[in-house]
Amino acid sequence: QVQLVESGGGVVQPGGSLRLSCAASGFSFSSYGMHWVRQAPGKGLEWVTFIWYDGRSEHYVDSVKGRFTISRDNSKSTLYLQMNSLRAEDTAVYYCANWWGDNSSGHYEYWGQGILVTVSS
Amino acid sequence: QSVMTQPPSASGTPGQRVTISCSGSGSNIGTNAVTWYQQLPGTAPKLLIYTNNRRPSGVPDRFSGSKSGTSASLAISGLQSEDEADYYCAAWDDILSCPVFGGGTKLTVL
Repeated sequence: QVQLVESGGGVVQPGGSLRLSCAASGFSFSSYGMHWVRQAPGKGLEWVTFIWYDGRSEHYVDSVKGRFTISRDNSKSTLYLQMNSLRAEDTAVYYCANWWGDNSSGHYEYWGQGILVTVSS
Repeated sequence: QSVMTQPPSASGTPGQRVTISCSGSGSNIGTNAVTWYQQLPGTAPKLLIYTNNRRPSGVPDRFSGSKSGTSASLAISGLQSEDEADYYCAAWDDILSCPVFGGGTKLTVL
């Protein structure tokens, strides 16, 4: 049974930092690109970042470049998101998800349950 | 402002057929496969349709997808109360080099 379990969320002041984790099980974690997708309260889905299956390449949405860092530890089947210089507009539920297939034909196969990050003073 | 456009809401009565549209561009839907996700209230999104019209195991055949040019559609036949959810279309965008989503459609079963 595939599981993606996020942790590390919470309330943080503007300018603060948080590190999210996503523990994967039930599938070959090291074979998949992994993404973080977020959803602000009452809003739609927004892609945030992804990392290749081997960790050699990362991509970010412009709004988080220079502030967020995605990483992975394939030996622990765990994905991370280090979030620095947090802003109120980063408040959202953050989901990790695995990307099945190549760019042109791929999709999110499984999603975590989501973790809430609230940036507020 | 989402890269792909969906109607914000849709509705139908039990047993009806409803469709949800998704309009994109040549760099996303026009070139790449479309995926649909279902998000039930208070839960994570779930894969509903992939590669334009394929259903994962466990998804009822009441759900179907289609694509033409730079637009796609999700059809739900024999509408049921448990279909009340938010539905999102998605596709890879070759210019942005990332996945992009539609703004989502809230389906209400009357």
